[in-house]
Amino acid sequence: GAGVSQSPRYKVAKRGQDVALRCDPISGHVSLFWYQQALGQGPEFLTYFQNEAQLDKSGLPSDRFFAERPEGSVSTLKIQRTQQEDSAVYLCASSLASPFQVQETQYFGPGTRLLVL
Amino acid sequence: GENVEQHPSTLSVQEGDSAVIKCTYSDSASNYFPWYKQELGKRPQLIIDIRSNVGEKKDQRIAVTLNKTAKHFSLHITETQPEDSAVYFCAAPKDEGDDKIIFGKGTRLHILP
Repeated sequence: GAGVSQSPRYKVAKRGQDVALRCDPISGHVSLFWYQQALGQGPEFLTYFQNEAQLDKSGLPSDRFFAERPEGSVSTLKIQRTQQEDSAVYLCASSLASPFQVQETQYFGPGTRLLVL
Repeated sequence: GENVEQHPSTLSVQEGDSAVIKCTYSDSASNYFPWYKQELGKRPQLIIDIRSNVGEKKDQRIAVTLNKTAKHFSLHITETQPEDSAVYFCAAPKDEGDDKIIFGKGTRLHILP
């Protein structure tokens, strides 16, 4: 079946511009995660949804970062007034979230590579 | 919250030899430890995971061992092949019983011909 997809795959933004990154999780997956991956580093947790509820946004670096998942499926990560330090790959992952077992496998999308000039 | 340390950061092994990557974690309540492989420019993909009710798990050339007392777990790749060249990340739950996971900084594995 279809995996996690993200769009756009690449985004170049001028400093100060707003950007919106989209994630389409695997159909039926309850949990959705956003990560930021800087060059040569591991993915860093940003925020987490269970269905439409944003249960944890402790990893968002500043109030310029905002995420939503209004219908419990597609999610959008928005970055306002982008800065050069926002340049990174933004990864989305989804998992089934079985009621019988926590910590189901997370399946990652291909990421959006954001470059802020 | 959890803290995950991974080493080495870079590892080169001759094709056919074994590679071992080690991770330590801080939260003794952690009970789920996945390993992800990320090839250049591609998405991280789960290659194996282990839960705290077992000490070892094997899948063909890949195995993971867990030592709960010492709070460390290791990835073992035997009979390495060129396609094993990638960055490998270990991870552990952010908090006890959490769906969120914290990643190590990664190990870049080079398989030498």
